[in-house]
Amino acid sequence: EVQLVESGGGLIQLGGSLRLSCAASGFTVSSNYMSWLRQAPGKGLEWVSVIYSGGSTYYADSVRGRFTISRDKSKNTLYLQMNSLRAEDTAVYYCARTRYPDDFDIWGQGTMVTVSS
Amino acid sequence: QTVVTQEPSFSVSPGGTVTLTCGLSSGSVSTTYHPSWYQQTPGQAPRTLIYNTNTRSSGVPDRFSGSILGNKAALTITGARADDESDYYCVLYMGSGIWVFGGGTKLTVL
Repeated sequence: EVQLVESGGGLIQLGGSLRLSCAASGFTVSSNYMSWLRQAPGKGLEWVSVIYSGGSTYYADSVRGRFTISRDKSKNTLYLQMNSLRAEDTAVYYCARTRYPDDFDIWGQGTMVTVSS
Repeated sequence: QTVVTQEPSFSVSPGGTVTLTCGLSSGSVSTTYHPSWYQQTPGQAPRTLIYNTNTRSSGVPDRFSGSILGNKAALTITGARADDESDYYCVLYMGSGIWVFGGGTKLTVL
């Protein structure tokens, strides 16, 4: 079964760091384009970052320089390292397989990140 | 800063037809933006309805269709049902590895 399962969310203090994981089954992370997206409570969806199958990475302006997307081929897992966290980073974070450049076709269930002062 | 625009809310009668749109704060949406549409119900991850402007995702009924109408991407729902009541999001590919979502449309069926 094709599936994505996120983990690593939680309550973190302002300015802190957190690493999210996204474990894939049924397909190979490193052979696909993979994205992180987020949704603040009661708000819309926001694309955060993508890693291409070739390894190139791109970020939304709101997180560039603070967040880093990466993957581990041996674990078939996608990561999002989040540093210098702000209150506005509070959101449910989703990982998604990306059918470049068209859409995000497989989503995880999401993991909640709450940044608190 | 590019802003993708959507109607904040829309209402449709059961059995009726509704067209939701996706525009740009500056410029026109064309197929080169590869517009896609997502449906999201509360507490659930989004699911793709339409990608690459007008291609239905697997399992999506043909009541849902995508197009370019004028200078916007459009999602048309025909024969609206109660379970179509959801939030609908469009996303545009801006190039250079960047995607931008619209703010979403809350569709009410009543």
